[in-house]
Amino acid sequence: NAGVTQTPKFRVLKTGQSMTLLCAQDMNHEYMYWYRQDPGMGLRLIHYSVGEGTTAKGEVPDGYNVSRLKKQNFLLGLESAAPSQTSVYFCASSQLQTDSYEQYFGPGTRLTVT
Amino acid sequence: KQEVTQIPAALSVPEGENLVLNCSFTDSAIYNLQWFRQDPGKGLTSLLLIQSSQREQTSGRLNASLDKSSGRSTLYIAASQPGDSATYLCAVRGNDYKLSFGAGTTVTVRA
Repeated sequence: NAGVTQTPKFRVLKTGQSMTLLCAQDMNHEYMYWYRQDPGMGLRLIHYSVGEGTTAKGEVPDGYNVSRLKKQNFLLGLESAAPSQTSVYFCASSQLQTDSYEQYFGPGTRLTVT
Repeated sequence: KQEVTQIPAALSVPEGENLVLNCSFTDSAIYNLQWFRQDPGKGLTSLLLIQSSQREQTSGRLNASLDKSSGRSTLYIAASQPGDSATYLCAVRGNDYKLSFGAGTTVTVRA
């Protein structure tokens, strides 16, 4: 079991460029999440998905789009990157059919927008 | 909106001392509370999860307590070691199944 994996690990973008971050999980989890982590702040939820084909906005969704075409993958897109989107991005997943809903996290993607 | 606070932001102790990390939250209507460890440049590792109906959870040298009515949780790490140096994050899950995170406590254990 690889758990939750993220691609790429690092990326540098110029303002206005676009990119897609890929999250994959092999635990057959229903729920998947995208967070961003900034210095001195806790993780903040960007978007999440409660199942294949569904997505919903989190706390800080502006400037991001997501898609969940397959149960095991959750994609985060930046259409026109801005310096304010410089951050570390974490993907997580959790199982629906347990009573704990414990979240499992990927290693993160460090994104710098210049 | 759930607000999660962790105090102190940083802590430095000599090896062997017990660690006490605090987490407070504003809305007591929670589903569960999770403590994570994060090493520099790495992802989050789940340490303990406490359901809203539980008072504490233990794993090895770690013990976490939960007082839902007062909106507090405490993580105790006994007999600290240099390998315990990391940032510890507290996260609260509301009944909408979303996690709200604190900013973390960065711990340094001096050899």
